[in-house]
Amino acid sequence: DAMVIQNPRYQVTQFGKPVTLSCSQTLNHNVMYWYQQKSSQAPKLLFHYYDKDFNNEADTPDNFQSRRPNTSFCFLDIRSPGLGDAAMYLCATSSGVHGYTFGSGTRLTVV
Amino acid sequence: GNSVTQMEGPVTLSEEAFLTINCTYTATGYPSLFWYVQYPGEGLQLLLKATKADDKGSNKGFEATYRKETTSFHLEKGSVQVSDSAVYFCALSERAQKLVFGQGTRLTINP
Repeated sequence: DAMVIQNPRYQVTQFGKPVTLSCSQTLNHNVMYWYQQKSSQAPKLLFHYYDKDFNNEADTPDNFQSRRPNTSFCFLDIRSPGLGDAAMYLCATSSGVHGYTFGSGTRLTVV
Repeated sequence: GNSVTQMEGPVTLSEEAFLTINCTYTATGYPSLFWYVQYPGEGLQLLLKATKADDKGSNKGFEATYRKETTSFHLEKGSVQVSDSAVYFCALSERAQKLVFGQGTRLTINP
């Protein structure tokens, strides 16, 4: 089945140690999103790619970066994780009219 | 800007009760409307959607009708089950741009 896959499901990282979360898709959608979600609050959009065009939300901290080397893959890099960055990170894709497909998320713990 | 307001939770019902979760929106144009469901520890799953006024989305016994005159998209189910316990998010998207979420409503169904 076509889908959005996030790895790993659970990630533990040390305070201040860079960490990378990954997302892949088999849907061939041109838009990919990264959301941060804390404690069943509404997901908060961090940034998205329209093809290779990167779009950062105005309030996304500089500590968060992203890479999209090709259509299928997108990475979220947290350069120096703090305790406040512990959250569920959700990747999603869309192709416009067909709606959005979310991955299962990566739960990040910072120790 | 665009926004979504959901009824505050948590909502607790007995099995086989009737469910309504209210959702209203503010948008500058004609958005598409969505309901997503999130089970504990999981990502978001699309429950149903509607893309224009008077459309009714339905899935797994859940229904919601796009009401332009009242800017609403209330979620309903005639007889809930314990397995429906989850967090429900109402969301909108305008011109296939980013999803804007409501704050989420936690639903608990007791046997």
